[in-house]
Order: sequence, then C-alpha cells, then structure tokens
Amino acid sequence: QKEVEQDPGPLSVPEGAIVSLNCTYSNSAFQYFMWYRQYSRKGPELLMYTYSSGNKEDGRFTAQVDKSSKYISLFIRDSQPSDSATYLCASSSSGSARQLTFGSGTQLTVLP
Amino acid sequence: DGGITQSPKYLFRKEGQNVTLSCEQNLNHDAMYWYRQDPGQGLRLIYYSQIVNDFQKGDIAEGYSVSREKKESFPLTVTSAQKNPTAFYLCASSPQGSDTQYFGPGTRLTVL
Repeated sequence: QKEVEQDPGPLSVPEGAIVSLNCTYSNSAFQYFMWYRQYSRKGPELLMYTYSSGNKEDGRFTAQVDKSSKYISLFIRDSQPSDSATYLCASSSSGSARQLTFGSGTQLTVLP
Repeated sequence: DGGITQSPKYLFRKEGQNVTLSCEQNLNHDAMYWYRQDPGQGLRLIYYSQIVNDFQKGDIAEGYSVSREKKESFPLTVTSAQKNPTAFYLCASSPQGSDTQYFGPGTRLTVL
C-alpha cells in the first residue's frame, strides 16, 4: 500500500465549478502537507502548504487536512480553464524535504 | 532570475547508450533530488544529495548514477543498464531545514 493515495482521475468540470481533489494517507506521523500543481510537460510548482490539521485559504484555493481520518483535500472555487493541470499531494512527517512522499496526481480539466 | 534549470528539454537516445541530464540551480539550496515520472505512477525518487560530494540512493537507483561536485549542479547519468529509461525526469532542490522541494522544468527522455 502506498503511503499517499490519490485518485488519478481524469476529472473534467465546467468552468466556474467547485473542484474537490482528495488524497488519503496511511502514516499517522505525517504533519506537513502540500499541494503541487503541474502543467503538461512542466515541473510541479508548490501551490499550498499546511501544517497539521485545519484549513488554509489562498484566493480561490483552500487546502484542508483532517488528521483524524487521514484525509487531505484541495478545493478550487470558480474554476478556470487555466486550472487545468495535474495536482499532486505530498506529505512528510519530519519537516525534512528528504522525507516528502508524493501522491500519484489527479489530472483536472476545466472546460470553457 | 533564481531558479532550477534542466537541459535539454527533450532528449533522444539509442538503446545501449549512456546519456547525462543536466540540473543546475542558483538558489543556493543545499539539497538536490532526481525523480522519474511515469504516467499514473507519480514521482519516484532516483537519487538525492544533501551536501556536496555526498549523495544517496532513492527508491529506484538501479541503472542511474549521479555526481555532486558543485553545490549548484547535480547531473544524472542514465546508463545502458536502465531497462526502461523512457520517462520524464525532474530535478528538485530544497534549502537546508526546509520541508518543501522546488522543481525544475523537466527533461523528457525517449529511447529509440
């Protein structure tokens, strides 16, 4: 079993929809949670970072961590075609980048 | 501009040939990483280096080699021993004490 599981999709939504992307993890020691966005044929870029449980909001993006259920979510409000990308979740227990564990990514397409 | 550069963007190789992928960063980051990305499999760690002249194997190091002679540079050699080298290769770096990684644009290697 992978430590971080992510539904690969693909997920297609109409422009303006609310998107929910999710990951589950098995390592209860994970405390640091990230979302990366990767456009086609590009490197991933850090999108959101959260520590421990709770929500973090940045513009149209909200990252949510529920440690009791080991569930990580990324919500995108008012989705735009420019949000079309693969979204990777990542987690770590130690705060060390060396220990970062990535999900396999969810491919999202926002249709105009 | 600070960042991570990878070259070339696309690389073609004949079977049986070694090939070296370049990764350079001017972010003054201590740690550098190489990942391989295949469809549906997410990021798999090949090698990482936390300091000059030192590097460690990741999860899939067989058929690959690296060097870290300078802080800014972490080249990856894909040897003829790598059985299935066609993939998208990503280089990343992180500053000391950080729990996040920053990625380069990637190199797509195709073996003909």
